[in-house]
Amino acid sequence: KQEVTQIPAALSVPEGENLVLNCSFTDSAIYNLQWFRQDPGKGLTSLLLIQSSQREQTSGRLNASLDKSSGRSTLYIAASQPGDSATYLCAVRSNDYKLSFGAGTTVTVRA
Amino acid sequence: DTGVSQNPRHKITKRGQNVTFRCDPISEHNRLYWYRQTLGQGPEFLTYFQNEAQLEKSRLLSDRFSAERPKGSFSTLEIQRTEQGDSAMYLCASSSGQGGTEAFFGQGTRLTVV
Repeated sequence: KQEVTQIPAALSVPEGENLVLNCSFTDSAIYNLQWFRQDPGKGLTSLLLIQSSQREQTSGRLNASLDKSSGRSTLYIAASQPGDSATYLCAVRSNDYKLSFGAGTTVTVRA
Repeated sequence: DTGVSQNPRHKITKRGQNVTFRCDPISEHNRLYWYRQTLGQGPEFLTYFQNEAQLEKSRLLSDRFSAERPKGSFSTLEIQRTEQGDSAMYLCASSSGQGGTEAFFGQGTRLTVV
């Protein structure tokens, strides 16, 4: 069974600082890994999708890396803003359809 | 297309009542998923449809839960004889093609059983 862990569980930084969010998974046989953002009481917004053959993916201030062999992914958010405050979830697709999620990292960016 | 749509957004029900949630996926997506999320946790897989066929049900989905996707379009998730432990956010997602494609989630239905 795929186990996904996100560390830290919570993070508070001043505005402008770079954010580094970590995700680890136990089974390296994955199809892809997806990072999501979740605002309180809301659904999930997809941020980045990294295929198993890729090492990284970038979108604006967001950059995600994938090291499949060591079972790790890192989400970097450059020059954080108060609007980046949310919970960030990492999800791994280990078969054709099922996503396994971590518990998330809750980020607070202080103005 | 406005994305994955879920209704209702919130539902409060008394213990023992039946509830039904609806999910409208992105129109060209043939795959539809239901997940459940409790406070402070990541979503957990409940069930998966490819077109109208329900291909997997999690052990989390007890006999009180049933999901359908008639004609491979919208889906419904019904919970019979609700219990307080059913209180959670129920999330629907859809994707197209094979496993490498991106999953898109709806805004969820927040169920509170009192």
